[in-house]
Amino acid sequence: GENVEQHPSTLSVQEGDSAVIKCTYSDSASNYFPWYKQELGKRPQLIIDIRSNVGEKKDQRIAVTLNKTAKHFSLHITETQPEDSAVYFCAARISGNTPLVFGKGTRLSVIA
Amino acid sequence: GAVVSQHPSRVICKSGTSVKIECRSLDFQATTMFWYRQFPKQSLMLMATSNEGSKATYEQGVEKDKFLINHASLTLSTLTVTSAHPEDSSFYICSATATGSGREKLFFGSGTQLSVL
Repeated sequence: GENVEQHPSTLSVQEGDSAVIKCTYSDSASNYFPWYKQELGKRPQLIIDIRSNVGEKKDQRIAVTLNKTAKHFSLHITETQPEDSAVYFCAARISGNTPLVFGKGTRLSVIA
Repeated sequence: GAVVSQHPSRVICKSGTSVKIECRSLDFQATTMFWYRQFPKQSLMLMATSNEGSKATYEQGVEKDKFLINHASLTLSTLTVTSAHPEDSSFYICSATATGSGREKLFFGSGTQLSVL
């Protein structure tokens, strides 16, 4: 089955700097790659997603890139703010009714 | 986005009792719901896939007789932890995909923190 690796496990950045989180997946049939933000004790919130027919997607300060050949995708957060501090999970799935497989998460700390 | 409601948000129970967790899709129909379990500072681990009107599919290592899943309608799935023990203490969270357009998007319930004494 699918296996998703995520790095780094923890990341500290100064406010205003950029943060990059990287994930790799194993199943070339996966075609949907969402990123979730989870604050302590709360539900994961979808922040951005990308399909395999797209190489890059941007939404304000957040962007995701996908390299299908290398089977990796990355989350980029620019101009980080303290409220960006949370755990971020990448995930992958093959089709609409198959479950998401999650990476182990990255704990991002933005230092003011 | 679509709303998934999960209740209760927190449960404290004695060892040996059963706990029922409800997951509802409020503004869309969900043919498929997924149940995840999350230990502190760890990732979401898939427990089972719940399909409306059929038996759930459990992941390897998840006891189906202990974690009973019922998906009786397109808007409701329930997870019952039977004869709970302290090692079952965890954060349980459901998720659902919508039918029709945007069906690849997964929406999460608010989660249930289960503490078994």
